[in-house]
Amino acid sequence: GNSVTQMEGPVTLSEEAFLTINCTYTATGYPSLFWYVQYPGEGLQLLLKATKADDKGSNKGFEATYRKETTSFHLEKGSVQVSDSAVYFCALRNQGGKLIFGQGTELSVKP
Amino acid sequence: DAGVTQSPTHLIKTRGQQVTLRCSPKSGHDTVSWYQQALGQGPQFIFQYYEEEERQRGNFPDRFSGHQFPNYSSELNVNALLLGDSALYLCASSKDGKNIQYFGAGTRLSVL
Repeated sequence: GNSVTQMEGPVTLSEEAFLTINCTYTATGYPSLFWYVQYPGEGLQLLLKATKADDKGSNKGFEATYRKETTSFHLEKGSVQVSDSAVYFCALRNQGGKLIFGQGTELSVKP
Repeated sequence: DAGVTQSPTHLIKTRGQQVTLRCSPKSGHDTVSWYQQALGQGPQFIFQYYEEEERQRGNFPDRFSGHQFPNYSSELNVNALLLGDSALYLCASSKDGKNIQYFGAGTRLSVL
């Protein structure tokens, strides 16, 4: 069946450090891939998406590339800020429209 | 333009009771999906409604049921509450169910 696996957290970085959060997936067909972010006490916000192999999603300095050969969609940012502290979820959407999420990775950025 | 709105924000129930959660989709959206997010976990898909019909269902027991109204708003009902039903319940709306899903802030349910 379809599944998503993320690197475990929490991840603690200093401000302006480079961020990578690993995400791999298992799926039949060609799912769309997403990163959502959840700030404390809030719902999920879409951060970026990619709908086909080799697509690069980007938003607010975050990037992720849909790698079909390695079934990965790793999230990267060149220079994190304290305001990026949140929980990040990788997800795939199956053909029926159902979102399947990873377990989430908590990021804490220290000044 | 209002986004996805959910009510109530918080709810406390006791075991065995029944609960109804409500969701109003983003303007122009016709599909509503419900997710359960346990503490420290990723959201788990409960079901999706489109044109007032349940279109997909996740691995949840029949105690979880839903409804979609002609104005596309939706309700999630949970009967015979268990302690393990304590979670954040998220509603997401989309156009046709196959486009980007936008999430509400959720309803925090505590079962005592």
